[in-house]
Amino acid sequence: EVQLVESGGGLVQPGGSLRLSCAASGFTFSSYWMSWVRQAPGKGLEWVATIKGDGSEKYYVDSVKGRFTISRDNAKNSLYLQVNSLRDADTAVYYCARAPTTPEATWGQGTLVTVSS
Amino acid sequence: EIVLTQSPATLSLSPGERATLSCRASQSVSSYLAWYQQKPGQAPRLLIYDASNRATGIPARFSGSGSGTDFTLTISSLDPEDFAVYYCQHRSSWPWTFGQGTKVEIK
Repeated sequence: EVQLVESGGGLVQPGGSLRLSCAASGFTFSSYWMSWVRQAPGKGLEWVATIKGDGSEKYYVDSVKGRFTISRDNAKNSLYLQVNSLRDADTAVYYCARAPTTPEATWGQGTLVTVSS
Repeated sequence: EIVLTQSPATLSLSPGERATLSCRASQSVSSYLAWYQQKPGQAPRLLIYDASNRATGIPARFSGSGSGTDFTLTISSLDPEDFAVYYCQHRSSWPWTFGQGTKVEIK
């Protein structure tokens, strides 16, 4: 069974950092582009970042460039999002997704990041 | 950045009725458009990819059409489980963007 499980969210002060993780199972992880998508409380979906299967290409939404870093460890079947210099506006549920716009799309259940003093 | 505008914001319909949701792009996205359904407390679920292809396990009452800048998601006969929020998303160029969503609610 294909499964994605996010972890690493929590309460953090403005300016703080977190490392979000997504553990993948049930498929050949290195073969897939992977993405992070977030959703602020009561709001719509926002694409955050995408990384190619071999890690050679990475793309970000402008609002997180220079603050967030997407990475992966194919040996550990894991996707990461390092989130630094957090702002109130970064408060959201962060979802990891496998190839989200393709027939093989799979989403995790999300991890909540709350930025508050 | 390509802006996706969904209309209407809210659609109030009864079970069995037809739902027509619109997504308009600020510039052409070819056929690189997907539709998602999201229910409260759940992750999004892919319904349609590449404008008109149903994802695995999606009932035939869901259909997508369009290309370029104008797209439509049609639910031919609303089932009680279809009342949810629907989003469109493009993958034509970076950055990917989502529409703001259309809520389909029970009338």
